[in-house]
Amino acid sequence: GESVGLHLPTLSVQEGDNSIINCAYSNSASDYFIWYKQESGKGPQFIIDIRSNMDKRQGQRVTVLLNKTVKHLSLQIAATQPGDSAVYFCAENNQAGTALIFGKGTTLSVSS
Amino acid sequence: ETGVTQTPRHLVMGMTNKKSLKCEQHLGHNAMYWYKQSAKKPLELMFVYSLEERVENNSVPSRFSPECPNSSHLFLHLHTLQPEDSALYLCASSQDLGIGRTDTQYFGPGTRLTVL
Repeated sequence: GESVGLHLPTLSVQEGDNSIINCAYSNSASDYFIWYKQESGKGPQFIIDIRSNMDKRQGQRVTVLLNKTVKHLSLQIAATQPGDSAVYFCAENNQAGTALIFGKGTTLSVSS
Repeated sequence: ETGVTQTPRHLVMGMTNKKSLKCEQHLGHNAMYWYKQSAKKPLELMFVYSLEERVENNSVPSRFSPECPNSSHLFLHLHTLQPEDSALYLCASSQDLGIGRTDTQYFGPGTRLTVL
């Protein structure tokens, strides 16, 4: 079946470090991937997305890498800040292209 | 603010009650979604509406009944729920690009539902 998973449920880093959050997906036909950030008491917030015709996309302090060969997606956060503490979800489009399938999430904790 | 609002933010109801969740998007999108988020589980897609037509019903029990009167509003009508239905219910919207292409979904803050 379709599923998206993350390698680690939690990640703890020091302020100023770079963070890397990983995600494995199962559907080789997926052509759209998104990273979301969810803070306590809020809905998921869009961070960055990437389509399958790209390997890398950069935003402000964030980079998404897509390795279609091994079906792996990663989110890199540069100079991690306490405000980055949240749960991060990756998602891929479903086979019908009508919706997103979400992974379980990685909780990022940033200490000062 | 993401441009997607949900009311109420919190709801406590008994198993025999009937209530409705409301979602409104101000982004000019033409697709809307309901998700269920339970502790320790991934977001579960419940319903998808595109151009006000339901295009996906993800095996959701009939005690959940969606309604999409126009492209800006989405409701989730609840009746005779069970305690295991307690969760965060999230609404999202996006632009349907057609031909099976999904686009970025923007989420509301969710309704925290507790069924007693």
